Amino acid sequence: DAMVIQNPRYQVTQFGKPVTLSCSQTLNHNVMYWYQQKSSQAPKLLFHYYDKDFNNEADTPDNFQSRRPNTSFCFLDIRSPGLGDAAMYLCATSREAGGDEQFFGPGTRLTVL
Amino acid sequence: RKEVEQDPGPFNVPEGATVAFNCTYSNSASQSFFWYRQDCRKEPKLLMSVYSSGNEDGRFTAQLNRASQYISLLIRDSKLSDSATYLCVVNVDNNNDMRFGAGTRLTVKP
Repeated sequence: DAMVIQNPRYQVTQFGKPVTLSCSQTLNHNVMYWYQQKSSQAPKLLFHYYDKDFNNEADTPDNFQSRRPNTSFCFLDIRSPGLGDAAMYLCATSREAGGDEQFFGPGTRLTVL
Repeated sequence: RKEVEQDPGPFNVPEGATVAFNCTYSNSASQSFFWYRQDCRKEPKLLMSVYSSGNEDGRFTAQLNRASQYISLLIRDSKLSDSATYLCVVNVDNNNDMRFGAGTRLTVKP
């Protein structure tokens, strides 16, 4: 049974055309995370929500925004994708803060043309 | 210095070999430590948490050395199915920030 679901699995967009990636979870976890992972690199945390509290990483570009309308859903908005934003975007959840196990979705692979 | 650094790899070992990975972390206040496994073009999945006293799960043993600020993962009797990238993950300051290492790629060959 899927626990963390990401849609779409593959997304192609054009340079500068806004795109939204979605994540949903059936675990009722408090924390949801968005990571960016480029080839052969570590997942890089973009931001996370603890419940409704949004926490942005200091080096996350303003081009990336996020919304969490309810416990189950979280969205990643890329306002003006550049070629350098092509990557795998991973959504993860954890039950609580402070280093709980994270459960990852299958990821959305973004291509920017 | 990177927050989390891992052996660069790749490690290519024969079936049945024992292989060990190390991971160092820079923040002495780090509280939680994990090893995740990531298969090619898949999401990371938790392999094991790392406890202060060290812990073992079948062929896998994880250890933490707080004094030297590193964690290790030992895999005994390697299987072909162990081929993957192993990611070291450290929770910084016991908040929600989880920092990943760049991963160590392991290939187990027949």
